[in-house]
Amino acid sequence: GAGVSQSPSNKVTEKGKDVELRCDPISGHTALYWYRQSLGQGLEFLIYFQGNSAPDKSGLPSDRFSAERTGGSVSTLTIQRTQQEDSAVYLCASSRAAESTDTQYFGPGTRLTVL
Amino acid sequence: QKEVEQDPGPLSVPEGAIVSLNCTYSNSAFQYFMWYRQYSRKGPELLMYTYSSGNKEDGRFTAQVDKSSKYISLFIRDSQPSDSATYLCAMSGFGAGNNRKLIWGLGTSLAVNP
Repeated sequence: GAGVSQSPSNKVTEKGKDVELRCDPISGHTALYWYRQSLGQGLEFLIYFQGNSAPDKSGLPSDRFSAERTGGSVSTLTIQRTQQEDSAVYLCASSRAAESTDTQYFGPGTRLTVL
Repeated sequence: QKEVEQDPGPLSVPEGAIVSLNCTYSNSAFQYFMWYRQYSRKGPELLMYTYSSGNKEDGRFTAQVDKSSKYISLFIRDSQPSDSATYLCAMSGFGAGNNRKLIWGLGTSLAVNP
């Protein structure tokens, strides 16, 4: 079946511009996660959605970052007034539920470059 | 000190070698341990998971957990060039809601040379 998809695969933007990154999770998965992956930093948790519960935003690095999940499916991560330090690969994952035994399936990521 | 430590490498081995990848951790509450494999320009994919201490084998791969030493390992036997990737360890407590609290290692870059 279809896996997690993300778009765009690459995004180059100028400092100060806003960007939107999209994630389509696996159908039926109730949990959705956004991560950021930078060289030397590993995988950094950003935000988590589970069903109709309030999202866990504890990993968002600043108020320039926000995310929403519409209809319990597609999610958009928005970065406002981008900075050069925002350059990274943004990964989305989904899982069937939120138990520790529920495998997270990752998309291919969006590579963001802020000039 | 990070909760999970993993040597980023790079690690370079000849084809057919036995590879040992390791992570150490500090939180004794961790009970669920995973190894993910990430190919270049792809997302991580789950390779193996173990619960609590012990060994788990899947083909050429063996995952080992030593909770007394807070040390986990992934062994790859008869390594192949197709095993060249970054290997990330991840761990969490056990139970509902813990999936969002995965703690990740930095990943070890492995190159298997033909």
